Amino acid sequence: DGGITQSPKYLFRKEGQNVTLSCEQNLNHDAMYWYRQDPGQGLRLIYYSQIVNDFQKGDIAEGYSVSREKKESFPLTVTSAQKNPTAFYLCASSIFFGGPATWGEQFFGPGTRLTVL
Amino acid sequence: SQQGEEDPQALSIQEGENATMNCSYKTSINNLQWYRQNSGRGLVHLILIRSNEREKHSGRLRVTLDTSKKSSSLLITASRAADTASYFCATDAGNAGNMLTFGGGTRLMVKP
Repeated sequence: DGGITQSPKYLFRKEGQNVTLSCEQNLNHDAMYWYRQDPGQGLRLIYYSQIVNDFQKGDIAEGYSVSREKKESFPLTVTSAQKNPTAFYLCASSIFFGGPATWGEQFFGPGTRLTVL
Repeated sequence: SQQGEEDPQALSIQEGENATMNCSYKTSINNLQWYRQNSGRGLVHLILIRSNEREKHSGRLRVTLDTSKKSSSLLITASRAADTASYFCATDAGNAGNMLTFGGGTRLMVKP
């Protein structure tokens, strides 16, 4: 799991609640990512951030929000607008070496399993 | 949208046998990466192959890339029970920010 931590490991949410998932990395990586994984499926990109104070929507951003106030932190908020939030959420980071097509591999955290009650 | 599609979706083999997983994708890429995921855990990067490379090795792993067919294969030789996991291919189309598009994965079970 490298130098990326996610908390909590398990999270339970009631209908209508917002919840925030934490992701911290000590790898000095430039970019950070949030993915959602449903059972038996691959990963889908929610949001990503290349630099501090900047982030971009991925394929399934609706009902989610993020912030990137510090290089090492990229929290994800699952809002009440997300109709089906029960899933496994994975955070990742990668380094930028400079120049075109020179991003490194992505390092993943251990994940947070969110369940809506 | 899922660019990569793995085949087969599930694979069961005996320890010592070789395991081959295939990945097909739709658009041009800068590189293709393979990741492994143990049940309920995060993903671990295995190998990256660039669009101008055709084959790459790492220990018991061998990856091939055929850009004309938009396909890649991952071969695990002399499999072990500890290789039991899900394997995902992910394509980097060269978009800003190293955005990866993941396939649905192959679930490999290696029986001791």
